[in-house]
Amino acid sequence: DAGVIQSPRHEVTEMGQEVTLRCKPISGHNSLFWYRQTMMRGLELLIYFNNNVPIDDSGMPEDRFSAKMPNASFSTLKIQPSEPRDSAVYFCASSTGGYQQYFGPGTRLTVT
Amino acid sequence: DQQVKQNSPSLSVQEGRISILNCDYTNSMFDYFLWYKKYPAEGPTFLISISSIKDKNEDGRFTVFLNKSAKHLSLHIVPSQPGDSAVYFCAAKLTGGGNKLTFGTGTQLKVEL
Repeated sequence: DAGVIQSPRHEVTEMGQEVTLRCKPISGHNSLFWYRQTMMRGLELLIYFNNNVPIDDSGMPEDRFSAKMPNASFSTLKIQPSEPRDSAVYFCASSTGGYQQYFGPGTRLTVT
Repeated sequence: DQQVKQNSPSLSVQEGRISILNCDYTNSMFDYFLWYKKYPAEGPTFLISISSIKDKNEDGRFTVFLNKSAKHLSLHIVPSQPGDSAVYFCAAKLTGGGNKLTFGTGTQLKVEL
C-alpha cells in the first residue's frame, strides 16, 4: 500500500516566485495535515483538513500561504510570492481521524 | 509560544546503554502524547504513545513515562542500537482538539558503537 506521496522532493526557486507543493494522502484517510519543519520551531502545523474541508489554518504564517484540497486524494500548498525565510522542509501527513498520523517524505524548499 | 518543549537538541549514547529522551509541556489540557522518529530525508514515523490516564506504556525496547503533575514525559530506549540514531519528536493532543497534534523541536539521538 503506497504511503503519503509528496512532490516535488526538492524545490529551488528565486525570491518572488510562486511555489506549489503537492500531496497525495493514503487512500481512505480522511484527515490531511501540512507541516513545516525548521530547526528553531521543529514541526509546525500549518493547516489541516477533515473530509476535504479546512478545519484549522491558524498556523498559516501569512497571506502568502494558501492550501487547497479539491478532493480526497489531492492537496496543494502554495506560497506566492516566496521569500528566503520560507526555506524549510514541508511535510504532508494523513490519518483516518485517529491520533496517529502518517507522514510523507517531505519537500525541501530553498528560496534564494 | 512553544507548548511542547524538547530542551535537549542532541543526545549521544553508547550502544547497549539506555537512551532517555525528555519532553516538557505547558498545557494541562493535553490528554494524549506520541513519540515520532525521523531518519534523514524521510518523514517522521510513529513510535509509541500514551494516554494521560496512564503513567507508563511499553513496547519492546521502548517505554514512555508520563508525569502529569510535572507536565513531563520521557522516552526510554533499552538497549540502544545504532539503528536508533534519528531525530525524535514528542507530540501532544489537546482535549477536544480533534486530531490536531502539537510537536516539539526534536532531539537528535546518536548511538555510538
